[in-house]
This record gives sequence, structure tokens and C-alpha cells, in this order.
Amino acid sequence: ETGVTQTPRHLVMGMTNKKSLKCEQHLGHNAMYWYKQSAKKPLELMFVYNFKEQTENNSVPSRFSPECPNSSHLFLHLHTLQPEDSALYLCASSQEGGTGANVLTFGAGSRLTVL
Amino acid sequence: GQNIDQPTEMTATEGAIVQINCTYQTSGFNGLFWYQQHAGEAPTFLSYNVLDGLEEKGRFSSFLSRSKGYSYLLLKELQMKDSASYLCAVPDSNYQLIWGAGTKLIIKP
Repeated sequence: ETGVTQTPRHLVMGMTNKKSLKCEQHLGHNAMYWYKQSAKKPLELMFVYNFKEQTENNSVPSRFSPECPNSSHLFLHLHTLQPEDSALYLCASSQEGGTGANVLTFGAGSRLTVL
Repeated sequence: GQNIDQPTEMTATEGAIVQINCTYQTSGFNGLFWYQQHAGEAPTFLSYNVLDGLEEKGRFSSFLSRSKGYSYLLLKELQMKDSASYLCAVPDSNYQLIWGAGTKLIIKP
């Protein structure tokens, strides 16, 4: 256990479905992130929330909608996805604003398959 | 632009030493990270280098040369549990990490 918990671990959905991924961190961090990980590709940063405010949106399609109700919880709402959206979605948290390296703590990911 | 290169896959023998290289091109430099990711698990932090030289942490060491845009991760006395992907990353100008595609390390008995 890393202190960052993601649910569900696996999700299969059709292109017309609506589902949500959930992330919860128990580390007292002030920043949370969504990353997409596809096979043999670099991690792609999708969204960043710092003190519950979205600070990054890396040109992510609107079919992905993030929500951060408080500094411990992060959601990724999914609707009308495409098969190419099938990937591992990783949540991470960090403590920003301190000295030294901004180390990310990741959850184990949600494996998404879009049929 | 910014770019990170690392080998796609490497194979090594249990008990041996392996060096995983990473080269990067960035407009500025704010350090370099190495993470380990076992299959189906979360990436976990291994090391952070901001100054040139070698930093040792038990069986794992990380080296940085800022003038060459180069780093390596050195793993000694390899164990089967070291089979994993090793990810190299550098922060961009907004301090968000730019990642390499990862090096899959296969350890054979």
C-alpha cells in the first residue's frame, strides 16, 4: 500500500457508458494528479489539482472530466470513450511547495478497457 | 522541445550488475528522477539527482551528468524481484514531470 488508493482496479465499458474512477490519498498531500499509461509509451499527464484548484489540463478531450471535491479525493468521470482510451489510469499525489524534490506517490492504477 | 530516451528492454542475470541509461533534452534543468514499476503495481520513487555525480542507496545507485544530459541507474547484486520497469523523468518549466517510456528489466536465474 502506497497511501494512494484507486478504485476500481479494472473496468470494462462500452463507448456509450458513463463511469467514474476514484482516487483517495491518506498522506496529507496538497496536490493530486491523473496520468494515462499506455503500453510502451511515456506516462502522459492529464490533470493536476493543487489545493483543490485545477492547475493543468494537458489538452485532454472533454470526454474525460476531473473532479476534486477536497484535497484527499480525486475523480475522473468518463463518458462516450473511444477504444483508444483503453489504458492504465494512474492517480498520484505530492506535497508541493516544500524544499527539495517534488516526489510523486502513485496508486496502483485503474485498468480501463473500452469496447 | 523536451525529450527523454531510455532503452526499451534489458536482460541481466541474477547476482550480476546492470546499468540503465537515460538521456534527456530540456530547456532548463530541475533534477532527474528514477522510479521503479513492477507489473500491475504503482510506480515507486527510487532516486532524485540534481547535482553531478553518483548517489548510492544500498544496491541501487544513480548517476547524473548535467553537461552531457545523461543519467544512469546502476543495480548491483541483482535479485529476481528487481524485474520491473524503470522510469526516468525530468521536470519541465512548470515543474511537471516529463517521462521516458521506461526500460523493462528482465532478470534471469
